[in-house]
Amino acid sequence: GEDVEQSLFLSVREGDSSVINCTYTDSSSTYLYWYKQEPGAGLQLLTYIFSNMDMKQDQRLTVLLNKKDKHLSLRIADTQTGDSAIYFCAESGGFKTIFGAGTRLFVKA
Amino acid sequence: EAGVTQFPSHSVIEKGQTVTLRCDPISGHDNLYWYRRVMGKEIKFLLHFVKESKQDESGMPNNRFLAERTGGTYSTLKVQPAELEDSGVYFCASSQLGAPHAQYFGPGTRLTVL
Repeated sequence: GEDVEQSLFLSVREGDSSVINCTYTDSSSTYLYWYKQEPGAGLQLLTYIFSNMDMKQDQRLTVLLNKKDKHLSLRIADTQTGDSAIYFCAESGGFKTIFGAGTRLFVKA
Repeated sequence: EAGVTQFPSHSVIEKGQTVTLRCDPISGHDNLYWYRRVMGKEIKFLLHFVKESKQDESGMPNNRFLAERTGGTYSTLKVQPAELEDSGVYFCASSQLGAPHAQYFGPGTRLTVL
């Protein structure tokens, strides 16, 4: 079945870049997403990319998609303490969205 | 515009009891979804409504879970009787009919079954 894998933890220093990686198995994915969950809050859609794109940039966020390897990454430039959260990678081919377990990002001041 | 709201935010019940979770989607969103995250694992799809109709309920764990969306507005998810393994965070999301990829999530209901 469909599966999305991502590492559970990432720790970076404030000001550094963070790179969160994700792999997925469903080759028919149409959309790939990054969601952010801050403590006590719901899921916030950070960005998404169509499967026919390689890269998408939005201010400090850069999403890279390697469709051949089914690998998605999220780069956060100039990471701030406010970026500390859980980041979920997800994919969908339609209505059902398949999520990974989330990567907890720790930002050290 | 109000976002997706869920009630309650937390619920603590004993094994064997019944709990009903409620989700109010964004006004005008015909698509409504339920997801669950158990014990820090991945967020899993439970089911999808289009208006009042269940479009896909392939993720519902078993027949102790019943979801309804009468009138095509808010939705309820009832767990009866609750088991220990039902503990987790239940998320609701909604999207417009022509934009299934743009799902807006609620804050979730944290359910603890003792």
